[in-house]
Amino acid sequence: GAGVSQSPRYKVAKRGQDVALRCDPISGHVSLFWYQQALGQGPEFLTYFQNEAQLDKSGLPSDRFFAERPEGSVSTLKIQRTQQEDSAVYLCASSFGTSGVGELFFGEGSRLTVL
Amino acid sequence: RKEVEQDPGPFNVPEGATVAFNCTYSNSASQSFFWYRQDCRKEPKLLMSVYSSGNEDGRFTAQLNRASQYISLLIRDSKLSDSATYLCVVNPETGTASKLTFGTGTRLQVTL
Repeated sequence: GAGVSQSPRYKVAKRGQDVALRCDPISGHVSLFWYQQALGQGPEFLTYFQNEAQLDKSGLPSDRFFAERPEGSVSTLKIQRTQQEDSAVYLCASSFGTSGVGELFFGEGSRLTVL
Repeated sequence: RKEVEQDPGPFNVPEGATVAFNCTYSNSASQSFFWYRQDCRKEPKLLMSVYSSGNEDGRFTAQLNRASQYISLLIRDSKLSDSATYLCVVNPETGTASKLTFGTGTRLQVTL
């Protein structure tokens, strides 16, 4: 379809493994966001891209988290040396504009479980 | 104090009831407000934006009270399909997309 696509939908990792989560936003959407949603909580901001530029990464919880969007479309969130507290749903969202007043379109998320 | 606070619920209401949720925000300079709906194990989806004058969309009414720093969502004639978590979203800085802040959500369960 034409929505935001994320993969993998489910990922189980052993503690210490590296994981990579992919987001394919809606075509033409300038803004791309990554959020982390723990069970029973609202989405928490991780990082924001405007085209290929990462304008805000203030929400990344540690230097083990890294995100990129090299060509201004597909984005990858990488988590190195995963820890149990990284277990969560990682949501990607995109929007057409850049002002923060437009609708965010979310993907279905990547559910990460770290054992 | 959290930037955006909501009662997590759950609110259990019978079909046909009217139910209201409030959400408070801490930054008095906040500019944009939204309600998103999230079904169990699904992604959030925009329900409605909240305008200063209040706005209505069918059975849903959203209102903003800047003086008291809260927004509300009223659902009339509840349907079983309204069962979901309702997320309050605030942007403290219009023009800065990355500052959108989500509340923890209020869970609604509509029963027969």
